[in-house]
Amino acid sequence: NAGVTQTPKFQVLKTGQSMTLQCAQDMNHEYMSWYRQDPGMGLRLIHYSVGAGITDQGEVPNGYNVSRSTTEDFPLRLLSAAPSQTSVYFCASSYSKALLNTEAFFGQGTRLTVV
Amino acid sequence: KNQVEQSPQSLIILEGKNCTLQCNYTVSPFSNLRWYKQDTGRGPVSLTIMTFSENTKSNGRYTATLDADTKQSSLHITASQLSDSASYICVVSRLTGGGNKLTFGTGTQLKVEL
Repeated sequence: NAGVTQTPKFQVLKTGQSMTLQCAQDMNHEYMSWYRQDPGMGLRLIHYSVGAGITDQGEVPNGYNVSRSTTEDFPLRLLSAAPSQTSVYFCASSYSKALLNTEAFFGQGTRLTVV
Repeated sequence: KNQVEQSPQSLIILEGKNCTLQCNYTVSPFSNLRWYKQDTGRGPVSLTIMTFSENTKSNGRYTATLDADTKQSSLHITASQLSDSASYICVVSRLTGGGNKLTFGTGTQLKVEL
């Protein structure tokens, strides 16, 4: 059971480049989300999805796009990378649409540096 | 404003000793409170989830307490081991029209030494 798999683990981008961070889960979870983790701050929600075909913005969505064409995959796209997007990105999934009292499973993270 | 404050920011203890980490929150309306352990370079892993009606919850050597009246929680680690060295993150879930949303603390960095 792989759980939540993120690729790549590390990435360096030049300002203005675009890229996609991949996230896949094999637990048939409805709810998936993307967070960024910056030094001295708690994880912040970028985008989330409550099921295939449904996405919504979190608290820091600017500069990022998402789509959810299947239950398993939830890619995060950086449209035009900026140094402010240097961060560690985590994908998470949960069985419950509403998160309720169910556990959220996190991927290993993608460390992104924008130069 | 929905906030989660953790203390101390960092802590060093000797192997075998106990320690207690604190979490204060102003998140409303409250749904549940979670403690996560995050090893360096890894994603957070859930330790406990507590609802409004639960005062104490244990997971092995980890025991979490919740006082919903004072909006405080603690995580007690018993007989610490070197493998307990990690960041411990308090997360509070609040109810919104779009479902539950998580507010994360900045974590307590614990180092266990010989």
